[in-house]
Amino acid sequence: DARVTQTPRHKVTEMGQEVTMRCQPILGHNTVFWYRQTMMQGLELLAYFRNRAPLDDSGMPKDRFSAEMPDATLATLKIQPSEPRDSAVYFCASGLVRDGGSSTDTQYFGPGTRLTVL
Amino acid sequence: ELKVEQNPLFLSMQEGKNYTIYCNYSTTSDRLYWYRQDPGKSLESLFVLLSNGAVKQEGRLMASLDTKARLSTLHITAAVHDLSATYFCAVGTQGGSEKLVFGKGTKLTVNP
Repeated sequence: DARVTQTPRHKVTEMGQEVTMRCQPILGHNTVFWYRQTMMQGLELLAYFRNRAPLDDSGMPKDRFSAEMPDATLATLKIQPSEPRDSAVYFCASGLVRDGGSSTDTQYFGPGTRLTVL
Repeated sequence: ELKVEQNPLFLSMQEGKNYTIYCNYSTTSDRLYWYRQDPGKSLESLFVLLSNGAVKQEGRLMASLDTKARLSTLHITAAVHDLSATYFCAVGTQGGSEKLVFGKGTKLTVNP
């Protein structure tokens, strides 16, 4: 049963510390998305990749957030330095875009990382 | 800019009743998705709607898409407690992008 995995599942840290979240997309999927979910803002797209290339990171605070895909099986989202307003659940999702067009397949979500910044 | 509105945002129903959740979006799109999220859990895909007039059904849930009206509905038939969850619609942006814009979600509570 293929699924997206994320680590850690929970993270509590202090303001100013670096936080790194990891995601393993479903094998064979070529797009990876990072979302943030909060009660106030709902589900927001932070960044996404296709074939490991970053396509859009306009939803991400550039000064403190960075997203990378070192290889096809790993995506990372880093916050440095973290702030209390970054407290949220961060979801990774993956999907498959077939040759020649936009994705019509659904996105498959990981279990999320619940981040608390004190 | 694509905007997605769901209503209602909160819905409390009695078991056995029927109800509809609405998802309106602001610009042309050719794909719409419904997801379910249980408290503290991830999002689970329910339906993918890719054409005008598309209708999909799974158990007590039925989703439809009217691209001309920019409207999708999620109809619940004879609700049961297990359907209690938050339901999100998500709309695909145009222009070959894989991006989805999500609605705020509808929190459904089904009471015995």
